Amino acid sequence: TQLLEQSPQFLSIQEGENLTVYCNSSSVFSSLQWYRQEPGEGPVLLVTVVTGGEVKKLKRLTFQFGDARKDSSLHITAAQPGDTGLYLCAGAGPMHAGGTSYGKLTFGQGTILTVHP
Amino acid sequence: NAGVTQTPKFRVLKTGQSMTLLCAQDMNHEYMYWYRQDPGMGLRLIHYSVGEGTTAKGEVPDGYNVSRLKKQNFLLGLESAAPSQTSVYFCATETHSGGAYTQYFGPGTRLTVL
Repeated sequence: TQLLEQSPQFLSIQEGENLTVYCNSSSVFSSLQWYRQEPGEGPVLLVTVVTGGEVKKLKRLTFQFGDARKDSSLHITAAQPGDTGLYLCAGAGPMHAGGTSYGKLTFGQGTILTVHP
Repeated sequence: NAGVTQTPKFRVLKTGQSMTLLCAQDMNHEYMYWYRQDPGMGLRLIHYSVGEGTTAKGEVPDGYNVSRLKKQNFLLGLESAAPSQTSVYFCATETHSGGAYTQYFGPGTRLTVL
């Protein structure tokens, strides 16, 4: 069974501060995704990283996939109250033989981020 | 284009009652999933389907059944609800591109079993 450990579980910061959320596993994933979820809604995909060592930037958010494809981080620069929400990482299993595959994502426990004005 | 819709949005059941949650999608995606979300546990996969007429068990399938008679609909059934099934249930569809998966989630169904 693949497990993803996400930390911290809770994060409460002031507007303008920087933060990093970590997602770690002993398993190798073919890709790793970060989602953001607001209360009463389903998760929404922020980014997918596929290549070991890959870094992707989305405005003030920077996502990194570990070289061994076992871990990932999400860094937010100058956090804003609009960043408040639940952040989830999710790892996808290996592609199946023959090139067919399906997601069967393994989710981390989530990080509840609160950014105070 | 509604994406992924779920009905109902809220439901309260008594122990032993049955119900069916409906997930509908208009994106023509082959793969569909049912998850449950509990505090501090992320999302856990209940059942999934890789196409019309197919279903398979996920991580926590006990107490649930599913059906995918039509490509656009994925139904989740609880035959005899238990308080441990109190949770928020999410349906998702999936596409593949460039070796990566993208899942699209519905808004969720909040179920309370008394």
